[in-house]
Amino acid sequence: DAKTTQPTSMDCAEGRAANLPCNHSTISGNEYVYWYRQIHSQGPQYIIHGLKNNETNEMASLIITEDRKSSTLILPHATLRDTAVYYCIARATSGTYKYIFGTGTRLKVLA
Amino acid sequence: GAGVSQSPSNKVTEKGKDVELRCDPISGHTALYWYRQSLGQGLEFLIYFQGNSAPDKSGLPSDRFSAERTGGSVSTLTIQRTQQEDSAVYLCASSAGELKETQYFGPGTRLLVL
Repeated sequence: DAKTTQPTSMDCAEGRAANLPCNHSTISGNEYVYWYRQIHSQGPQYIIHGLKNNETNEMASLIITEDRKSSTLILPHATLRDTAVYYCIARATSGTYKYIFGTGTRLKVLA
Repeated sequence: GAGVSQSPSNKVTEKGKDVELRCDPISGHTALYWYRQSLGQGLEFLIYFQGNSAPDKSGLPSDRFSAERTGGSVSTLTIQRTQQEDSAVYLCASSAGELKETQYFGPGTRLLVL
């Protein structure tokens, strides 16, 4: 699976959009980009995933660049409950199945 | 519906003792994964079960670690002769089975070895 790099930490004001970047410059054509978050003392929570098209669900939007070397997770209206560590994972659809987690981005939403 | 459940939620044990951690996957999910998360670290893959296939044990850190999955559902992770470095959160995840399927995680078991 491709290695991903993320900023160590970010702050966001409550009610504003939180934009979390992820670099996956070595991603291959069959690797999906997955986003999870982990709120303190809980298991990782699935947020969204995509291959090459932008995706949106009730939690977030995922914007993937045309060359697929980077992506951005957007939380449109961040709340205090969105404070968590956000993980970006590039995962193949064949051959491998385990997630390889990095250290993620620690997002702090400020009141 | 019910998510992945794990028990116990917390476990404190003495060095040298054996421990068993349990995972109940989402009903109907054929794939089950164990991960370990040490303090302040990302998740480390341990083992993967898929249906009746032989499990992938490539992530188990030593032969003190073993896991089984009986009846294709519940799984037990066993750590023998625990060491202090085994202290971590042990997370279980399940997925519907296809390799591209999303993994859903349980709340974890926090293991502290004194």
